[in-house]
Amino acid sequence: DSGVTQTPKHLITATGQRVTLRCSPRSGDLSVYWYQQSLDQGLQFLIQYYNGEERAKGNILERFSAQQFPDLHSELNLSSLELGDSALYFCASSTPRGGVSHEQYFGPGTRLTVT
Amino acid sequence: GDSVTQMEGPVTLSEEAFLTINCTYTATGYPSLFWYVQYPGEGLQLLLKATKADDKGSNKGFEATYRKETTSFHLEKGSVQVSDSAVYFCALGYSGGGADGLTFGKGTHLIIQP
Repeated sequence: DSGVTQTPKHLITATGQRVTLRCSPRSGDLSVYWYQQSLDQGLQFLIQYYNGEERAKGNILERFSAQQFPDLHSELNLSSLELGDSALYFCASSTPRGGVSHEQYFGPGTRLTVT
Repeated sequence: GDSVTQMEGPVTLSEEAFLTINCTYTATGYPSLFWYVQYPGEGLQLLLKATKADDKGSNKGFEATYRKETTSFHLEKGSVQVSDSAVYFCALGYSGGGADGLTFGKGTHLIIQP
């Protein structure tokens, strides 16, 4: 158990809809990262938040957005969903307060199916 | 930009065989290197890491050495077990608070037969 939790575990929705995925980082970690894993694109970094502020952006679509709240949990919002958005979405955390972290710890993922 | 290339699978071995999964990288800076493992239906688990050239990461019988001259980080294990069957990902990232996201290879599916 990595200490990173994600909800829901599975999500099935229709094209055009909007969903929110939730992530709670390991206790004390300040950074949250979101990744998308699909068969054709592999594992891709989407976005990072550090202590409530956006820190880095990867291959995140404009239809997607994220935020990190004062209690450090994070939400990834996916809107105007398309069939191609079906994937596993992972959250990871790192960077304990007062420390420097070289690795990221991953949650179990949310499987999104768009029909 | 940064990239990671690893051998595509599936790689099928018999129990107790020697394992090598090749990984090479291209990086604009001086990254840390990682191997992650993903068991069926689960998230990624950090297997081992190396933060600078010539460092050797090791865990659970797996080893990998950060070779800057060949830009490689090959994963090895002397004697694999059926329980090692999983998908293995090589990745690079930059250390320190506020580091960017990891860049992953496409993953190597390892199948160990009894």
